[in-house]
Amino acid sequence: IAGITQAPTSQILAAGRRMTLRCTQDMRHNAMYWYRQDLGLGLRLIHYSNTAGTTGKGEVPDGYSVSRANTDDFPLTLASAVPSQTSVYFCASAQAGGTGELFFGEGSRLTVL
Amino acid sequence: GQNIDQPTEMTATEGAIVQINCTYQTSGFNGLFWYQQHAGEAPTFLSYNVLDGLEEKGRFSSFLSRSKGYSYLLLKELQMKDSASYLCAVRDSNYQLIWGAGTKLIIKP
Repeated sequence: IAGITQAPTSQILAAGRRMTLRCTQDMRHNAMYWYRQDLGLGLRLIHYSNTAGTTGKGEVPDGYSVSRANTDDFPLTLASAVPSQTSVYFCASAQAGGTGELFFGEGSRLTVL
Repeated sequence: GQNIDQPTEMTATEGAIVQINCTYQTSGFNGLFWYQQHAGEAPTFLSYNVLDGLEEKGRFSSFLSRSKGYSYLLLKELQMKDSASYLCAVRDSNYQLIWGAGTKLIIKP
């Protein structure tokens, strides 16, 4: 089934631990994004990639890193998790041209204790 | 700064019509999106407006006035399954999306 897959769906993590959220899409979209969603706030962009091999910082990049080695995969790494990184994380992709609508993964709920 | 405003919560009755407003102040404008998000799920695309006017898609319509920095999403013949949050997002001059906090729509029988 075409779409975006995120893993894990849910994770509880001790503060200070390293964590990688995985994201894979099979739609051959050029652009990919990582957002966090917190209660009462709009989606906030963490990092993005307009094409394989390039990445950029979004609105809230501190404490996070990404890589884009190929078109399909866009992992998000928390080098040393802190409680303020407790959130729901959404990966999304979009094709260049057209409306540029985003297609979202199902989300990864991360709790940092 | 850039800002998207929409009501936090709205309540409507099954079968009725509801209008969800969105006002924006952004650095440039390259389109406005509406997404639907059911609780615990991912946002899904509803509509896109880049020119002034009304875009109709079944029971849902979206309106844009660029001069007023204003959009609304109109939902007709409300169904219980329309209970969800509705997210307004504007693409700015850098082609980045600025998101509103979302409007939680509660449908009552």
